[in-house]
Amino acid sequence: EAGVAQSPRYKIIEKRQSVAFWCNPISGHATLYWYQQILGQGPKLLIQFQNNGVVDDSQLPKDRFSAERLKGVDSTLKIQPAKLEDSAVYLCASSLASLDYNEQFFGPGTRLTVL
Amino acid sequence: AQTVTQSQPEMSVQEAETVTLSCTYDTSENNYYLFWYKQPPSRQMILVIRQEAYKQQNATENRFSVNFQKAAKSFSLKISDSQLGDTAMYFCALVENDMRFGAGTRLTVKP
Repeated sequence: EAGVAQSPRYKIIEKRQSVAFWCNPISGHATLYWYQQILGQGPKLLIQFQNNGVVDDSQLPKDRFSAERLKGVDSTLKIQPAKLEDSAVYLCASSLASLDYNEQFFGPGTRLTVL
Repeated sequence: AQTVTQSQPEMSVQEAETVTLSCTYDTSENNYYLFWYKQPPSRQMILVIRQEAYKQQNATENRFSVNFQKAAKSFSLKISDSQLGDTAMYFCALVENDMRFGAGTRLTVKP
């Protein structure tokens, strides 16, 4: 079974530039998550999708971050404009459903460096 | 508010020995789920073990087991017969409405 795919794996940009990350979840997984993992910290949930609808985006900085999941499969996360503090690894995860006990399967992440 | 605390930033253990990683949490809910995830160096995060709060019996998965103390809000992970491949960051996570992770414990298994 193919895992969660993310691209790019690494990205370096200057502050105030824009950047987009792509995620392809495991086939058949209805729920998709985007996490931000700052160095030395645990992942923090940014947004959760159930199919193509948003379930939770309470911790998403909506003035600069946006995400979409068209057709309930792939998802993109965008930052515009980027700040220095956005430097982090952005993890995408998916699960069969949004039930609390469901295992989340994580992608390899995209490491973003903002200079 | 949901919070998860891992008080041990780093730990080390000799190969074949046993190590326990600590995790405490805070929640106002009675029903929730707890997880331990492992993040090996430069590799993807994977689930190690999970525990339903309504179950009194501690979860076990091969060499991995938990000590779940609901009243104390404690959820420690015990790794028996440690192997070099267990070297990784270990994250404790609580699912109430969404998943909240602790800051992680970096475990090094020494040969």
